[in-house]
Amino acid sequence: SAVISQKPSRDICQRGTSLTIQCQVDSQVTMMFWYRQQPGQSLTLIATANQGSEATYESGFVIDKFPISRPNLTFSTLTVSNMSPEDSSIYLCSVARESREEQYFGPGTRLTVT
Amino acid sequence: EDQVTQSPEALRLQEGESSSLNCSYTVSGLRGLFWYRQDPGKGPEFLFTLYSAGEEKEKERLKATLTKKESFLHITAPKPEDSATYLCAVQVAGYALNFGKGTSLLVTP
Repeated sequence: SAVISQKPSRDICQRGTSLTIQCQVDSQVTMMFWYRQQPGQSLTLIATANQGSEATYESGFVIDKFPISRPNLTFSTLTVSNMSPEDSSIYLCSVARESREEQYFGPGTRLTVT
Repeated sequence: EDQVTQSPEALRLQEGESSSLNCSYTVSGLRGLFWYRQDPGKGPEFLFTLYSAGEEKEKERLKATLTKKESFLHITAPKPEDSATYLCAVQVAGYALNFGKGTSLLVTP
């Protein structure tokens, strides 16, 4: 397994602003992912953070709204841009050594947009 | 369209009362089925991966099984500390996990 930390753990933001969430892993990992967990909904994959190249986004998610960086094998950031109340959610990062193996999740960042 | 459905949505058990949670799926080409436990305010905690029909895995009071259409998470003699939301996810291609909405389990003393 891996020890994963996220910052901030929670935040309250105003409409129209942006928030950057950090994800730090205690060891090098091949794959890092960002998920969203909205109230009453399933965990949904936003994108895969690729080291040294642009992130791979799932259907319904775009880079302009959710820019992602991954400068090395232990760190990634997700920015939620131009926020609206609909972006209120828990955002989670996860990691895996290989694509078919289990993913380990961070503690999440609870975002409220007012 | 790939779908993952978990039932029941919520389950209340008395301590020691065994039961099963269900995860049914309709996907093309299952690569793996994953079970997670999620406590309030925390990220999901990995429990099991199942790769093929007939496979079973156990951990303490939990046992996960897999058929071609569904998976069960059996909880034997549960304790209050087993109270949590249990999530099921399927992996079809690549790395993406397709999650169900979860079963919220409450075990009372």
